[in-house]
Amino acid sequence: GAVVSQHPSRVICKSGTSVKIECRSLDFQATTMFWYRQFPKQSLMLMATSNEGSKATYEQGVEKDKFLINHASLTLSTLTVTSAHPEDSSFYICSARLGGAGEQFFGPGTRLTVL
Amino acid sequence: AQKITQTQPGMFVQEKEAVTLDCTYDTSDQSYGLFWYKQPSSGEMIFLIYQGSYDEQNATEGRYSLNFQKARKSANLVISASQLGDSAMYFCAMREGRNYGQNFVFGPGTRLSVLP
Repeated sequence: GAVVSQHPSRVICKSGTSVKIECRSLDFQATTMFWYRQFPKQSLMLMATSNEGSKATYEQGVEKDKFLINHASLTLSTLTVTSAHPEDSSFYICSARLGGAGEQFFGPGTRLTVL
Repeated sequence: AQKITQTQPGMFVQEKEAVTLDCTYDTSDQSYGLFWYKQPSSGEMIFLIYQGSYDEQNATEGRYSLNFQKARKSANLVISASQLGDSAMYFCAMREGRNYGQNFVFGPGTRLSVLP
């Protein structure tokens, strides 16, 4: 099956700093990528939908200025958590979709801890 | 309203026995897809099984089968011959819309513990 990678897998940062998380589709081109957040013992919540070459669509309650998403190519989307705070500590998972009606493939996730 | 309901926050099963994890969904679309994912402690989302709304037969993948009851809007996952490695969180998910163009909606999950 298709492979999606995320980097880094784990990151610890100080409060107030920015953190960039990369999501790559390794063997296919993804027109759409999704970013999810998962708090401990909770389900995945969609944060935003990212289409290559256009602005991301954010879900209600997600601050677009805090969670910057860039989908510059068909194989790479980045999520930047700006001015991170401890409440941003979470597990961030991306997924990539093959074409308009294709299957979604999930990345392995990035665990962010903000001190 | 919740789109996906998983009423069992936690389940225990004895090794080698079968277990059913419940999932009910809410949609007014005629075309939709139902998925089950396993999430071990490492965090990765592992795809288990898929059922399309127009599929007449219940989906099966090895030890996993999906008990799809469309009229009841339920899509329960059955794991046969449980193994210790099956201990994990299990999420039911739905994708609505024509050509499945929408994103996933996940249920709250069920934590399965397999006992030796």
